[in-house]
Amino acid sequence: AQSVTQLGSHVSVSEGALVLLRCNYSSSVPPYLFWYVQYPNQGLQLLLKYTSAATLVKGINGFEAEFKKSETSFHLTKPSAHMSDAAEYFCAVTISGNTPLVFGKGTRLSVIA
Amino acid sequence: KAGVTQTPRYLIKTRGQQVTLSCSPISGHRSVSWYQQTPGQGLQFLFEYFSETQRNKGNFPGRFSGRQFSNSRSEMNVSTLELGDSALYLCASSISQGSEETQYFGPGTRLLVL
Repeated sequence: AQSVTQLGSHVSVSEGALVLLRCNYSSSVPPYLFWYVQYPNQGLQLLLKYTSAATLVKGINGFEAEFKKSETSFHLTKPSAHMSDAAEYFCAVTISGNTPLVFGKGTRLSVIA
Repeated sequence: KAGVTQTPRYLIKTRGQQVTLSCSPISGHRSVSWYQQTPGQGLQFLFEYFSETQRNKGNFPGRFSGRQFSNSRSEMNVSTLELGDSALYLCASSISQGSEETQYFGPGTRLLVL
């Protein structure tokens, strides 16, 4: 079965600093990986997804993530944090064959002015 | 194109009651999935429907049920509500049933059980 571990339930960065949110997955077969963001009182919005086409995936709002098979990781980064990036971020994994998404516990990102 | 819509947005019920939540997917999307989000358990998969058939089911008791109509709209029902059912219920739709397909989420229905 697949699983996702997000290291750090809360990450705090200064405005303009690098954002790094960690995600490690467990899967016995090639996975599909997703990052979603959730703003207060809203649903989940897709940031980016990895589907084996390229290991470095660029998403919306300046975010990107790199798939590293050897490390079973899919960390999310953004070079310069903005106040509007404050939200909760979820990493999710699935595999082929019509299986549901398995989510990590989420990481709440705070951006300090 | 309109996004996924969920109604109602907020609900307050008492223990023992039942509740029905509704989800309208993005036009053209045939797959609808439901998730429960709680502070303690995070996001957990409930079930997924495709072309009116339940394709996948998560590890939830039989009190949780769902269905999908011919227009792809979906409903989920929770009977005999318990305090622990208080949660944000999220619906997501995708074009088809492939795992690599992006799921687009609605704003959720926040259920409070008293």
